[in-house]
Amino acid sequence: LAKTTQPISMDSYEGQEVNITCSHNNIATNDYITWYQQFPSQGPRFIIQGYKTKVTNEVASLFIPADRKSSTLSLPRVSLSDTAVYYCLVAGSARQLTFGSGTQLTVLP
Amino acid sequence: NAGVTQTPKFQVLKTGQSMTLQCAQDMNHNSMYWYRQDPGMGLRLIYYSASEGTTDKGEVPNGYNVSRLNKREFSLRLESAAPSQTSVYFCASSEDILAVYQETQYFGPGTRLLVL
Repeated sequence: LAKTTQPISMDSYEGQEVNITCSHNNIATNDYITWYQQFPSQGPRFIIQGYKTKVTNEVASLFIPADRKSSTLSLPRVSLSDTAVYYCLVAGSARQLTFGSGTQLTVLP
Repeated sequence: NAGVTQTPKFQVLKTGQSMTLQCAQDMNHNSMYWYRQDPGMGLRLIYYSASEGTTDKGEVPNGYNVSRLNKREFSLRLESAAPSQTSVYFCASSEDILAVYQETQYFGPGTRLLVL
């Protein structure tokens, strides 16, 4: 079971770029890396997914080094509405679908 | 298009009582999941259903049973509730668990359960 480690919390200011790093030292060959966002009293929402190198979509970028033992979620120009908990999920099968404790991101005005 | 819906939103039980949490999705997804989330923690998988008619245990299945009633509905039953089952329960669905590592899961709003 690929275990993930993330910072418990991060603070940022509006308009800044935020990078959240996740460590997953025992990632397996079949594992993909997925990031979810969760607001209070809501279910998680998919942000981005990748296997290696860099992936970018309309809301975020995901950087994965060659050894895949970590990944970094990058949120450009955050706003107050980006305040949420961000989860890094590493899984290659349904039995591995366990989310870590996540990172509480607080965006300050 | 409601996505994933869950009922009830909130429930209080006494120890030993039973109840069923309901989940339905309207996205024609094959795979469905039940998670629990305890305060300050991430989600842990209780059970999942790869397709209609099949169910499998996740990380924390003890004390729970599930039924995949049809393609749309996946219910979670607590036969004899215990205080340790106080949690927020989330249902999710995805297109096809066979490619789960590439799957995007869509989550419901959650059911908050308090067992006294």
